[in-house]
Amino acid sequence: KQEVTQIPAALSVPEGENLVLNCSFTDSAIYNLQWFRQDPGKGLTSLLLIQSSQREQTSGRLNASLDKSSGRSTLYIAASQPGDSATYLCAVETSGSRLTFGEGTQLTVNP
Amino acid sequence: GAVVSQHPSWVICKSGTSVKIECRSLDFQATTMFWYRQFPKQSLMLMATSNEGSKATYEQGVEKDKFLINHASLTLSTLTVTSAHPEDSSFYICSANSPGRGTDTQYFGPGTRLTVL
Repeated sequence: KQEVTQIPAALSVPEGENLVLNCSFTDSAIYNLQWFRQDPGKGLTSLLLIQSSQREQTSGRLNASLDKSSGRSTLYIAASQPGDSATYLCAVETSGSRLTFGEGTQLTVNP
Repeated sequence: GAVVSQHPSWVICKSGTSVKIECRSLDFQATTMFWYRQFPKQSLMLMATSNEGSKATYEQGVEKDKFLINHASLTLSTLTVTSAHPEDSSFYICSANSPGRGTDTQYFGPGTRLTVL
């Protein structure tokens, strides 16, 4: 059974700091890995999707890496802003388009 | 493009009543839709997968007679919580994908907050 773990559970940083969120998964037989953002009481916004054959994806200040063999991914956020405050979820896709989510990292960026 | 809507966005009901939640893909045909449940400060847990025109596949531990899923068309799936109880209070989120779009991305709805009194 696939299990996804995210560390840390919560993170509070001052504005402007670069930060790294971690995600690990137990079964390396994945199709892809996604990072999502969730604001309180809202749905999910897809940030980055990394196919299993890829090593990283970049979008603006976000960079996600994937090491499939070791079952790890990181989300790097550069020059953090208060608007980045949200819960960040990673999810891996396995057979049948099933997504298994981690419990998320709650990020607070203080002005 | 690739917008998924849910209705209602929130609902409050009395214990013992049934509640229907709709999930619609607005600008694409969704061959597969997924229903997730999220309890406070927890992650999303997949409840079931539904394909248009066929019975839903439920995850282990999810009661199919309590959570009725219908995927009658390529743009609409419904989740009915029957005989709701306070422990069913949760945030329900649907997602949809369509392999024909050439992407594995699932597109998520904004969620429905269910509160059972």
